[in-house]
Amino acid sequence: SAVISQKPSRDICQRGTSLTIQCQVDSQVTMMFWYRQQPGQSLTLIATANQGSEATYESGFVIDKFPISRPNLTFSTLTVSNMSPEDSSIYLCSAGNGIVNEQFFGPGTRLTVL
Amino acid sequence: SQQGEEDPQALSIQEGENATMNCSYKTSINNLQWYRQNSGRGLVHLILIRSNEREKHSGRLRVTLDTSKKSSSLLITASRAADTASYFCATESNDYKLSFGAGTTVTVRA
Repeated sequence: SAVISQKPSRDICQRGTSLTIQCQVDSQVTMMFWYRQQPGQSLTLIATANQGSEATYESGFVIDKFPISRPNLTFSTLTVSNMSPEDSSIYLCSAGNGIVNEQFFGPGTRLTVL
Repeated sequence: SQQGEEDPQALSIQEGENATMNCSYKTSINNLQWYRQNSGRGLVHLILIRSNEREKHSGRLRVTLDTSKKSSSLLITASRAADTASYFCATESNDYKLSFGAGTTVTVRA
């Protein structure tokens, strides 16, 4: 199994600003993903963070709004850009090794945009 | 996009009772997984059942999968207050990406 930490755990931000969320895994993993969970809702996949190349975004999510970095096999960042109150959500990263299909999740970052 | 639908949306049971929740999905899958989330925190992986399996057990958890009906169920036996959480099913197709259901909120009363 993998242990995943996220920073920050929560933040309150002003409209129009950007926030970068960090995700750190305690071991090298093949796959890292970013999800959004809006209040009272289920998880929606934002993108797959690819090591050494551009992230792969799901329908409805674009790089300009959610730029993602993955410089190595243990670390990724998600930036929420030009925030609006509609971006208030929990953002979670997950990791998997591509062999066993289960994913391990970080504790999430609770974002409130005023 | 979300593939799974779960029912019920919410479930309230007495400690010691069993809790059953169901998940339906739309497309073919490699496996189906169940996760637990406590109070808006991160998800904890509970159990994975592959498309060629019909039933799987892990402690007090029992999962069934019926690929002909595209449905799965999660049974928690002898529930405890600590089982109070939201439970999500997630399907995985061919690219390791998970598609989550809407979730079932379970409350276990002491």
